[in-house]
Amino acid sequence: GAGVSQTPSNKVTEKGKYVELRCDPISGHTALYWYRQSLGQGPEFLIYFQGTGAADDSGLPNDRFFAVRPEGSVSTLKIQRTERGDSAVYLCASSPDTKETQYFGPGTRLLVL
Amino acid sequence: QKEVEQDPGPLSVPEGAIVSLNCTYSNSAFQYFMWYRQYSRKGPELLMYTYSSGNKEDGRFTAQVDKSSKYISLFIRDSQPSDSATYLCAMSAPGTSGTYKYIFGTGTRLKVLA
Repeated sequence: GAGVSQTPSNKVTEKGKYVELRCDPISGHTALYWYRQSLGQGPEFLIYFQGTGAADDSGLPNDRFFAVRPEGSVSTLKIQRTERGDSAVYLCASSPDTKETQYFGPGTRLLVL
Repeated sequence: QKEVEQDPGPLSVPEGAIVSLNCTYSNSAFQYFMWYRQYSRKGPELLMYTYSSGNKEDGRFTAQVDKSSKYISLFIRDSQPSDSATYLCAMSAPGTSGTYKYIFGTGTRLKVLA
C-alpha cells in the first residue's frame, strides 16, 4: 500500500516568509509525528498527534511553528516568519498507535534564503 | 551528554565484510530500540525493531540489545555496496503524555566498497 507522502519535496523561501508543509500518513494510522533533521544529525522530535489533537508539542522550537491535523489524517506544519536557521529536512512519520513502529515519509527539504 | 550517542563515521568496509554499528544511551527508561537506514535525500526506512535484551535476526541483519550496559548494536553480514547509507539508531520511552517519541542518534555513514 501507499506509504507516508510529503509535499512539497523541496521548498525554497525567503527569510520572513510563511511556509506550509503537508504530510499524508498511511491510511488508518492514528498517530502522526513531525521531526526536523539538520545536516549530519538524526531527526529531532517536533510534535505528535493522536487523532486530531496535538498530544505532545514539546519539541516545537518556538511559537513560529504550528501544526494542525483537523480531520485526523493529513497534517500541515506551518512556519511563520521563517529564519535561515529553519533550513532543514522536515520529516513526517505515522504509526498505527503511539507504541507501534513509526514509518517515515521522504521529507520536505526547506531552504530559507 | 546526549541521551543517545552514535559515532558519525564515516565507516568504509570492503564488500562482503561484517559491519558492526553501535549506539550507547543514558536513559534507562528506553523500552523500544530501532535501527533505520537512510539513503541520501530519502526518509529513514525501518530495518529492525526490538523490545527486549538479546539478539534479533532478519536476513543479513542482526540487532543486539544489552540493557544492562545501555548499548545496542546492528550487525550486517556479507555487506553489499547497496548497503551504503546512513544508519540511525532510535529509542523510545513513554513520556508524561503517553507519547512514545523517538530519540535518534546522529547516524553512522557507511560505505561498502565494491
